[in-house]
Amino acid sequence: DAGVIQSPRHEVTEMGQEVTLRCKPISGHDYLFWYRQTMMRGLELLIYFNNNVPIDDSGMPEDRFSAKMPNASFSTLKIQPSEPRDSAVYFCASSSILFAGELFFGEGSRLTVL
Amino acid sequence: AQSVTQLGSHVSVSEGALVLLRCNYSSSVPPYLFWYVQYPNQGLQLLLKYTSAATLVKGINGFEAEFKKSETSFHLTKPSAHMSDAAEYFCAVSVGNYGGSQGNLIFGKGTKLSVKP
Repeated sequence: DAGVIQSPRHEVTEMGQEVTLRCKPISGHDYLFWYRQTMMRGLELLIYFNNNVPIDDSGMPEDRFSAKMPNASFSTLKIQPSEPRDSAVYFCASSSILFAGELFFGEGSRLTVL
Repeated sequence: AQSVTQLGSHVSVSEGALVLLRCNYSSSVPPYLFWYVQYPNQGLQLLLKYTSAATLVKGINGFEAEFKKSETSFHLTKPSAHMSDAAEYFCAVSVGNYGGSQGNLIFGKGTKLSVKP
C-alpha cells in the first residue's frame, strides 16, 4: 500500500492568500484526521472524519480554517485567509477501527506564511 | 478528560546505554496507549501500543513499554541505544466512545532523544 499521501510537501505563501492542503488516506480506512504540529503547541488535533462525515471539529482554530472530505479517498484542509501564525506542519492520518486506534500518518505539509 | 505528560523534552544517552523515556497519562476510562517515533522531516510511525492485553508491550526496533495502572505510567525503554534511535518520541492516549479504538489520539509534547557515539 502507498500509505497516506499528502500534498504539497512544502508551501510558502504570503499573508492573506488561500492555502489548500490535500490528503489521500489509505484505501479501506474509514477515519481521517488532520493534525497541526508546532514547536510551541506540539501536535494538535484539528478535525476528524468518519466515513467522510466530520465528527469533531472543535480543534479548528477559527473560521479561517475549513476541511472537507468529498469521498473516501480525498480530503482537503483550507486556510483562507492565511496568517503568519498558521505556519506549521500539517499532518493527515487515517485509521480503521480494526487497528485498535493506530494512526497511519502522512509525511506532512510544511506551511510557511510570510 | 484524557491527557499525557512526557517528562523531559530532551534526553541524551551514549550509544549502548539504556534508553528510558517517561510518559504518564490521565484517563477516566481504561486507556489505549501508544508510542510513536518521528524522524526529521517525516511523519509519525507507530513503535508500539497497549490495548488492555499484556501489560508489557514489545514494539519495533527493540523498544518496549510497560503499562502500570497504579502509577498511571507507560514508560518506553530500550536496553541498548543505537545511533539510529536518535529521533523525537511521542506518547499518546486514545479518547472516544468505542473502547479506545476510535483512533483520535491526544499526544504528549514529545521527547527528543540524542545518542552520543
